[in-house]
Amino acid sequence: GAVVSQHPSWVICKSGTSVKIECRSLDFQATTMFWYRQFPKQSLMLMATSNEGSKATYEQGVEKDKFLINHASLTLSTLTVTSAHPEDSSFYICSARAQQETQYFGPGTRLLVL
Amino acid sequence: DAKTTQPTSMDCAEGRAANLPCNHSTISGNEYVYWYRQIHSQGPQYIIHGLKNNETNEMASLIITEDRKSSTLILPHATLRDTAVYYCIGPASGTYKYIFGTGTRLKVLA
Repeated sequence: GAVVSQHPSWVICKSGTSVKIECRSLDFQATTMFWYRQFPKQSLMLMATSNEGSKATYEQGVEKDKFLINHASLTLSTLTVTSAHPEDSSFYICSARAQQETQYFGPGTRLLVL
Repeated sequence: DAKTTQPTSMDCAEGRAANLPCNHSTISGNEYVYWYRQIHSQGPQYIIHGLKNNETNEMASLIITEDRKSSTLILPHATLRDTAVYYCIGPASGTYKYIFGTGTRLKVLA
């Protein structure tokens, strides 16, 4: 139980284009979903928190107009990186929380912007 | 800032117990301590969590000190596949947000 999927697992795009990443909780309904970013040899950094049907809450320093988050249902959240640039290249990971505090993480999406 | 501190790295011989410490002296009385691990290029994997009592599951044991200022994750018989970065997390007060520290890079040696 408690499986979270992400799609795609990796993506390469040209600078200036937008990329959408999906995060799904497969066997439970997620009250809250979280998006993280991880650069090589660094820890995970929380980008934003999203609750179904409401606007995401972004961490300090994260541009909400650049990283659009939609949490349309209790099993799906999407992160769109708009007008991507090479510095946005990173490993993006989502997690989902049900009723308790435990978060279950997706496998991650590796983004490379050329 | 992360509410936990861990050693940067540890080595463990295959088949031996791996004991990973974590200091969480600022965690409050009703906040759980969570342990995850991240194998290279994958998302973090949930291991175990606890509040006051020691906990055990099929993956590991968690020993929490009586004053709750620290805990130890125990992998009873480490294998090469346990090589990973292990994170001890105390959620931010009043929220469900995880603030990751640097974790402990465990290397299991053959």
